[in-house]
Amino acid sequence: AQTVTQSQPEMSVQEAETVTLSCTYDTSESDYYLFWYKQPPSRQMILVIRQEAYKQQNATENRFSVNFQKAAKSFSLKISDSQLGDAAMYFCAYRRGSSGTYKYIFGTGTRLKVLA
Amino acid sequence: DAGVIQSPRHEVTEMGQEVTLRCKPISGHDYLFWYRQTMMQGLELLVYFNNKAVMDDSGMPKDRFSAKMPNASFSTLKIQPSEPRDSAVYFCASSFVAEGFQETQYFGPGTRLLVL
Repeated sequence: AQTVTQSQPEMSVQEAETVTLSCTYDTSESDYYLFWYKQPPSRQMILVIRQEAYKQQNATENRFSVNFQKAAKSFSLKISDSQLGDAAMYFCAYRRGSSGTYKYIFGTGTRLKVLA
Repeated sequence: DAGVIQSPRHEVTEMGQEVTLRCKPISGHDYLFWYRQTMMQGLELLVYFNNKAVMDDSGMPKDRFSAKMPNASFSTLKIQPSEPRDSAVYFCASSFVAEGFQETQYFGPGTRLLVL
């Protein structure tokens, strides 16, 4: 069975600094997708970034980028120039790429605090 | 688009009562997901639909939970009888498949359920 592990329950970063959130996963599949979701105090789940396993290039979305290490089954999120609005829970998620199944597996989350 | 709509936003009920949560997915989305979020278990997938048909309900307690999608624009998650351990935030999410790849899940604002 696939699993997603976020080993950092909480992280802090100074405003304008850079922070990296860790995520590891376990799967025997070769085709899959990985995601980072943000959950602010409003509880809404918001997609931050998405990575296809077959792509070697790391995904980037503005200040957010990932370090995808397929062999190590690691998928970390880097937030550059941190802003107060980045404070939230961040969830790493996995989904098999095989057609016919769209079951997502989420990690337990990392709470990010941004210090002014 | 108004996004995924969930109702009610908050629900307080007594143990043994029936609870019905409602969800309206984004128009045109053919996948609908129900998740439960608790501090202890994190975000768990309960059930998901494709074109109104249940695709996977392995995460849903069958004895007291039931999910339906009578049409493409409406789904319900019913708990009968409710128990204190059902207290959680319940999220509905929807997505659609574009050229064989499932687009990002869009989450609703969630329903916070408290069973006394």
